[in-house]
Amino acid sequence: AQSVAQPEDQVNVAEGNPLTVKCTYSVSGNPYLFWYVQYPNRGLQFLLKYITGDNLVKGSYGFEAEFNKSQTSFHLKKPSALVSDSALYFCAVRDDSNYQLIWGAGTKLIIKP
Amino acid sequence: ETGVTQTPRHLVMGMTNKKSLKCEQHLGHNAMYWYKQSAKKPLELMFVYNFKEQTENNSVPSRFSPECPNSSHLFLHLHTLQPEDSALYLCASSQATTGVSYEQYFGPGTRLTVT
Repeated sequence: AQSVAQPEDQVNVAEGNPLTVKCTYSVSGNPYLFWYVQYPNRGLQFLLKYITGDNLVKGSYGFEAEFNKSQTSFHLKKPSALVSDSALYFCAVRDDSNYQLIWGAGTKLIIKP
Repeated sequence: ETGVTQTPRHLVMGMTNKKSLKCEQHLGHNAMYWYKQSAKKPLELMFVYNFKEQTENNSVPSRFSPECPNSSHLFLHLHTLQPEDSALYLCASSQATTGVSYEQYFGPGTRLTVT
């Protein structure tokens, strides 16, 4: 079955340090992968996606994600965290059977000053 | 107004009430979605409309009834809800639903509380 896992409920990082939010997936075909962010009292905002090509994808707000086919992972990264990056982050993969998104449960990112 | 808007932002209703949630997208998209978001759970896709036609209904109880009069508007009619239906209901839109994976654009959601 196709699925997405975000193994960490919460990630704590000090401001200025690099951050990583983890995501692993399981799909039958080529993966189409997405990251979204949700700030308090807001809807989800698209950050970046991987369809094909370069394994390092750059997105909004200085975020990037690394696609690793052998490890079936798509981790979200940022070289230097900001307090304003504190939010809920969701990973998603496209379901090959109906082209809809399968979502992870989300990871709460807390950046401390 | 730009993007995807949802009204109301907050709704409290009794189990015997009938209410409707409204979503409007100003992006010229052809696909619209209803999701249910509960704390610490993956988003649950409820309904998908593509060019006003419903293409997905993920075994949603009949007390939730969607309506899509055109590609810009989406409604979710609610009746005889249960307390476990309390959640954040998100509307989203995208350029299309098939083929190349289009990113979805979300509204701010309606926080629904069923008493």
